[in-house]
Amino acid sequence: AQKITQTQPGMFVQEKEAVTLDCTYDTSDPSYGLFWYKQPSSGEMIFLIYQGSYDQQNATEGRYSLNFQKARKSANLVISASQLGDSAMYFCAMREGPGAAGNKLTFGGGTRVLVKP
Amino acid sequence: DSGVTQTPKHLITATGQRVTLRCSPRSGDLSVYWYQQSLDQGLQFLIQYYNGEERAKGNILERFSAQQFPDLHSELNLSSLELGDSALYFCASSPLEVTASYEQYFGPGTRLTVT
Repeated sequence: AQKITQTQPGMFVQEKEAVTLDCTYDTSDPSYGLFWYKQPSSGEMIFLIYQGSYDQQNATEGRYSLNFQKARKSANLVISASQLGDSAMYFCAMREGPGAAGNKLTFGGGTRVLVKP
Repeated sequence: DSGVTQTPKHLITATGQRVTLRCSPRSGDLSVYWYQQSLDQGLQFLIQYYNGEERAKGNILERFSAQQFPDLHSELNLSSLELGDSALYFCASSPLEVTASYEQYFGPGTRLTVT
């Protein structure tokens, strides 16, 4: 089974509107972390937000918020007030557990977002 | 700018050749991770080093090897290159051995094209 699933290959969003990017994950480890990264056309990977499995509150970072639903194993990214510069590929990633197995990030397939003026 | 540097930015080489990709982590970061991003495989973890020692291994081919030097920079060696090795290779760093709540800071990547 896929560890990280992003079901939306691409989407359009109107400038100034909010957009939700879906991410579901699969793990049996009680300790894990979920990350979102942005990859613009220039190629670099930009960290956006992190949610730990034991965090009680949903993570927020400026216009980014993470809608963490543990029972559903989903960690959707919400971008509020979209800007043209938000046009990019967005990746959801997971770290599982402590120890050596917990070092790597497993990435989803990504969602391409295009913000329309 | 994440503080992670990678050289070269672009690399074009022929099948069968060997190349070395270099990564310098952020100041103070002890962990270095290598990832490969290709069209068919997506973003895949290759290998991690912590303070000079290999810590975790992912889907890294036997033709590929890596090391981390005492000054903490890392090199990824790719040999007997095949067309399918064409990809964007990222290096990332983090301060701790286990990612924990610290994000991995990614470098700008090295785009390898094998012809």
